[in-house]
Amino acid sequence: QVQLVESGGGVVQSGGSLRVSCAASGFTFSNSGMHWVRQAPGKGLEWVAYIRFDGSSKYYADSVKGRFTMSRDNSKNTLHLQMNSLRVEDTAVYYCAKDLNGGYALDYWGQGTLVTVSS
Amino acid sequence: QSALTQPASVSGSPGQSITISCTGTSSDVGSYNLVSWYQQHPGKAPKLMIYEGSKRPSGISNRFSGSKSGNTASLTISGLQAEDEADYYCCSFAGSTTWVFGGGTKLTVL
Repeated sequence: QVQLVESGGGVVQSGGSLRVSCAASGFTFSNSGMHWVRQAPGKGLEWVAYIRFDGSSKYYADSVKGRFTMSRDNSKNTLHLQMNSLRVEDTAVYYCAKDLNGGYALDYWGQGTLVTVSS
Repeated sequence: QSALTQPASVSGSPGQSITISCTGTSSDVGSYNLVSWYQQHPGKAPKLMIYEGSKRPSGISNRFSGSKSGNTASLTISGLQAEDEADYYCCSFAGSTTWVFGGGTKLTVL
């Protein structure tokens, strides 16, 4: 079965950096686009970034463009999100999610990892 | 990339039907038949319920259905059950390989 397990969350000061990761299993990772979605405490979902199956292209929400970098290692079935210049408003649970190939939807989600940015 | 507009809350009694609206613009919902809907129970990860506007993934009850008219998509849940109580989010492809979510709707089963 499809499993997505995020890791790397924690507390970081405003202006700092953090990298969160997502270990994938149960599907052909190298054939799937992947997303990061975040959810601030008590708030709704916000799409953050998408990477194509081969890592050739990445796309970001305006709110993180220029600060966050998404990458993947298909040899290790792992997804990463490097977050720099973190702001208090980046505090959220970060979910990785698998793209429903050709369906423009997110069909499997991890349980999320909490990133807290303190002032 | 403005969030899609959903009602903050809806409610219904067991066995009834409810509809949750999701209003976007001609740049997202109105341009693509690529709206998806997600169910999220407290403390849990979201779960895909509807994709491409009206398609159900394997294992999703046919009590859940989706539709679209113009810039507004809708999720209808028929035969409400207690376990349907959750937050529901719409999401639309918004062009240029970006996506946008709605603000979420809390469904209460009375």
